[in-house]
Amino acid sequence: AQTVTQSQPEMSVQEAETVTLSCTYDTSESDYYLFWYKQPPSRQMILVIRQEAYKQQNATENRFSVNFQKAAKSFSLKISDSQLGDAAMYFCASSMDSNYQLIWGAGTKLIIKP
Amino acid sequence: GAGVSQSPRYKVAKRGQDVALRCDPISGHVSLFWYQQALGQGPEFLTYFQNEAQLDKSGLPSDRFFAERPEGSVSTLKIQRTQQEDSAVYLCATSGSLAGLVGETQYFGPGTRLLVL
Repeated sequence: AQTVTQSQPEMSVQEAETVTLSCTYDTSESDYYLFWYKQPPSRQMILVIRQEAYKQQNATENRFSVNFQKAAKSFSLKISDSQLGDAAMYFCASSMDSNYQLIWGAGTKLIIKP
Repeated sequence: GAGVSQSPRYKVAKRGQDVALRCDPISGHVSLFWYQQALGQGPEFLTYFQNEAQLDKSGLPSDRFFAERPEGSVSTLKIQRTQQEDSAVYLCATSGSLAGLVGETQYFGPGTRLLVL
């Protein structure tokens, strides 16, 4: 079975500082995709960043970057220069080659301290 | 439309009532997914449509749950004889791919929050 685990129910960071959210996954597939989605309070889920497993290079989107460690099955999200608008639930998700369903972690609540 | 829309945004139902939740996809998106998100948890897959064809309904928790997309656009998730355990946010997501599902970015609607009393 494919699983995604987020071990940090809640994280807090001072505004303008850097925070890293952890995610591990388990799969026997050779090809898959990993995602970080953001869900602000009472607002819709939006894609933050996407990583293709066969690509060695870590994905980056402006202040958001990932540390993808394929052997360790780890996919952490780094947010640099945290802003108040980054406060949200962050979900890690995977999509495996044989199953298009998104498999989700339980989420990490990110709090930004002004 | 510019994005995925869902209605109603909030629904309160008495136990035993039937409810219908609507999803309007991004124009032209052929793939449509329904997810259930319990409070404090990540979403869980319910069902998937490619155009009007329901290709996967393995996540539907019981035969009280039924989904349709008759013309390949708007989709309705129906829950019959609602129970308290059905209380959750129901998310609709769409993607533009015809067949390349794996790795496709899914675009989400705001969800319908269902509370069953």
